[in-house]
Amino acid sequence: GNSVTQMEGPVTLSEEAFLTINCTYTATGYPSLFWYVQYPGEGLQLLLKATKADDKGSNKGFEATYRKETTSFHLEKGSVQVSDSAVYFCALRGGGSTLTFGKGTMLLVSP
Amino acid sequence: EAGVAQSPRYKIIEKRQSVAFWCNPISGHATLYWYQQILGQGPKLLIQFQNNGVVDDSQLPKDRFSAERLKGVDSTLKIQPAKLEDSAVYLCASSLEAGSSYNEQFFGPGTRLTVL
Repeated sequence: GNSVTQMEGPVTLSEEAFLTINCTYTATGYPSLFWYVQYPGEGLQLLLKATKADDKGSNKGFEATYRKETTSFHLEKGSVQVSDSAVYFCALRGGGSTLTFGKGTMLLVSP
Repeated sequence: EAGVAQSPRYKIIEKRQSVAFWCNPISGHATLYWYQQILGQGPKLLIQFQNNGVVDDSQLPKDRFSAERLKGVDSTLKIQPAKLEDSAVYLCASSLEAGSSYNEQFFGPGTRLTVL
């Protein structure tokens, strides 16, 4: 079946540091890949997505590239802010509309 | 545009009691999802509705969980009787419709259930 593996958190960074959160997946066929973000006390929000190999999703300074050869979709940001502190979920969508999520990675950014 | 509404936001019950959660999706969204998110894990789909019909309930523990979406709009998820392991956040999401092209799922804030 489909599965998503994320690096464990928390990831603790200082403001303006570079961020990488690793995500790898197992799926049959050609899934679509997503990053969701959950701010404290709020629901999950779609951050970015990529629907085919080599696509790069980007939003709010975050980027992730769909790498089929390494089955990865790592999330990156060049300079994090305190307001980026949240839990980040990597997810995939196979043939239907069902999303399979990773366990989430908490990011804590200090001033 | 109003988002997905859920209530209550928090609920504490004792094991073997019953509990119900309510979800009102974004207006016009045909597809509604209920997810269970246990602490430290990602959300897991419990049930998916397309209008008032069930599309996927393969991971719903049907001996104790039930869900309905009678008029194809709002939905109720019930647990009866609750067990300790049901402690989790229950998320509701909606999208325009399910299909071959991706329609973004919009999530509500969730209901945090604690079973004592």
